[in-house]
Amino acid sequence: QKEVEQNSGPLSVPEGAIASLNCTYSDRVSQSFFWYRQYSGKSPELIMSIYSNGDKEDGRFTAQLNKASQYVSLLIRDSQPSDSATYLCAVLYTGTASKLTFGTGTRLQVTL
Amino acid sequence: DAMVIQNPRYQVTQFGKPVTLSCSQTLNHNVMYWYQQKSSQAPKLLFHYYDKDFNNEADTPDNFQSRRPNTSFCFLDIRSPGLGDAAMYLCATSRAPQVNQPQHFGDGTRLSIL
Repeated sequence: QKEVEQNSGPLSVPEGAIASLNCTYSDRVSQSFFWYRQYSGKSPELIMSIYSNGDKEDGRFTAQLNKASQYVSLLIRDSQPSDSATYLCAVLYTGTASKLTFGTGTRLQVTL
Repeated sequence: DAMVIQNPRYQVTQFGKPVTLSCSQTLNHNVMYWYQQKSSQAPKLLFHYYDKDFNNEADTPDNFQSRRPNTSFCFLDIRSPGLGDAAMYLCATSRAPQVNQPQHFGDGTRLSIL
């Protein structure tokens, strides 16, 4: 059973701080990793993708991947109240015909 | 402009009354997916089409069916909805079953069962 684990939270950070969201996965041969943001009652929105070890930055977002540790994270710098949402980690497992396995998500609350 | 469009946004049906949810896409992606998401849970894949090839998940109930008449449209049919089928239904697309292709979601249809 391929699994993706996330801390459900809520993770509470003050406005302007760095939010750090973590995700672990069970299958070593996984190749593609995605972070989706989901507001309450809305559908998931892709915000970051990462495929190789290291960091990938896009604006205030940085994704970090460590395949040896089977760990992927998302950093949000200068957190804003509008960042308050559930962040879903998704892993594309090799050989599963492009099927994503999602974690249950971490709920982020950015406080004023 | 919306690229993955789901209709309706909200659907109410009666217990046991068949219902169809619709998804269309303007991305010309060859893979379309249907997910079920219940409150505070991860999206759960029901099935997907790779072009015209239908791929059902092993644990998807027989009550759920799908049709893809052409590249742009895909339908989710629930033959006899039960109370446990109340959920958000998400349609997603991707370009191909390649390792670096993300999935793009529609806005979802929230299904309520009376």
